Amino acid sequence: QSVLTQPPSVSAAPGQRVTISCSGGSSNIGNNDVSWYQQVPGTAPKLLIYDNNERPSGIPDRFSGSKSGTSATLGITGLQTGDEADYYCGTWDNSLSAGVFGGGTKVTVL
Amino acid sequence: EVQLVESGGGVVRPGGSLRLSCVASGFTFDDYAMSWVRQVPGKGLEWVSGIEWNGGIRGYVESVKGRFTISRDNAKNSLYLQMNSLGADDTALYHCARRPLWGSYRFDYWGQGTLVTVSS
Repeated sequence: QSVLTQPPSVSAAPGQRVTISCSGGSSNIGNNDVSWYQQVPGTAPKLLIYDNNERPSGIPDRFSGSKSGTSATLGITGLQTGDEADYYCGTWDNSLSAGVFGGGTKVTVL
Repeated sequence: EVQLVESGGGVVRPGGSLRLSCVASGFTFDDYAMSWVRQVPGKGLEWVSGIEWNGGIRGYVESVKGRFTISRDNAKNSLYLQMNSLGADDTALYHCARRPLWGSYRFDYWGQGTLVTVSS
């Protein structure tokens, strides 16, 4: 059971928009910034979003992040077949003194 | 180009030990904290352990405390994970990941991982 809660899957047609939620608590998301990772099966995770809404260089602006209270959201607009992957949220947990991740969300492009 | 290359995985019997290594290149190793993150095939990510740039602060997930030891050798650009008293629940792909010292908690580069299988 992951500390952060994500939906197992989301799907949409090419060109559409999807959002992925990440729910936590006061010891993690409520007091720390959130990062998001994309993992194409068989490859290493890649940092997509950090500091809740910042994109590393090279990440297209189709990807966006936000945080409110103890929840965070990843948005993907203009969905492409290449976006099919697993997406994970992550942060630090002050009570556990440990890094924590969500269980992952599989994005399917219909 | 930043590269993180793990090695040392394999098949080990329950109760056995393994030492994982991660060699870093393409950046100044001691400018970064490092972590090990594991992933059961087909499942999600689990942070296992982290170490600050100078090895001064180390942390572990509760399930490995007392069994795993993280260390680093900045002169060799290398990160290690000594794993003892291994059990079936430790079977996973182990990634090393780089964590910037500035800003929020995040991992900006990951290795491909080394597979650890605990089986009799």
